[in-house]
Amino acid sequence: DVKVTQSSRYLVKRTGEKVFLECVQDMDHENMFWYRQDPGLGLRLIYFSYDVKMKEKGDIPEGYSVSREKKERFSLILESASTNQTSMYLCASSGLQLPLGSYEQYFGPGTRLTVT
Amino acid sequence: AQSVSQHNHHVILSEAASLELGCNYSYGGTVNLFWYVQYPGQHLQLLLKYFSGDPLVKGIKGFEAEFIKSKFSFNLRKPSVQWSDTAEYFCAVSGTYKYIFGTGTRLKVLA
Repeated sequence: DVKVTQSSRYLVKRTGEKVFLECVQDMDHENMFWYRQDPGLGLRLIYFSYDVKMKEKGDIPEGYSVSREKKERFSLILESASTNQTSMYLCASSGLQLPLGSYEQYFGPGTRLTVT
Repeated sequence: AQSVSQHNHHVILSEAASLELGCNYSYGGTVNLFWYVQYPGQHLQLLLKYFSGDPLVKGIKGFEAEFIKSKFSFNLRKPSVQWSDTAEYFCAVSGTYKYIFGTGTRLKVLA
């Protein structure tokens, strides 16, 4: 059973703080993703990684960075948190299935971040 | 531009009613299509997916979806909904790595 875990379910931070969100998967998946989920906007991709130390920008990378030092762990970093980064953050992972692109993504429970 | 459109943002149905949620996409090349569901307080999970073959795909809990290439659509259906189907439903399309998600449809089923 695939498991994707996120370090916190709820987090409250102050404006300007540096925030780390951690994600760990236990299925040896190559691909990992960070999304933010906002009402009426669906899921928007922040960053993804298809291998250790590799990262690609998603659709809304501004204000975020990521780190993937180990295959199972993908961290999202808010360098200086702002109120407009208050959101639900979802981590996901997937393996490489054929045909390429047919993979299922497995999601973590999410971290609800509030920036005050 | 690549995009996914879900036309219904909120749907309210009575139990035993039939369900159809619309999904249209704009994507160059071969597409892989998915429906995900998020029950209240739970993880997003896969309902069903299409990547080739029979355009009518069946998923969990009695859901099905039909891929109509000429209409760029992948609508989700269920003949008779239950109260437990209350959830948010997301359509998604993928290429090699990235997914593009629709904005979601909140379904409320009245007992």
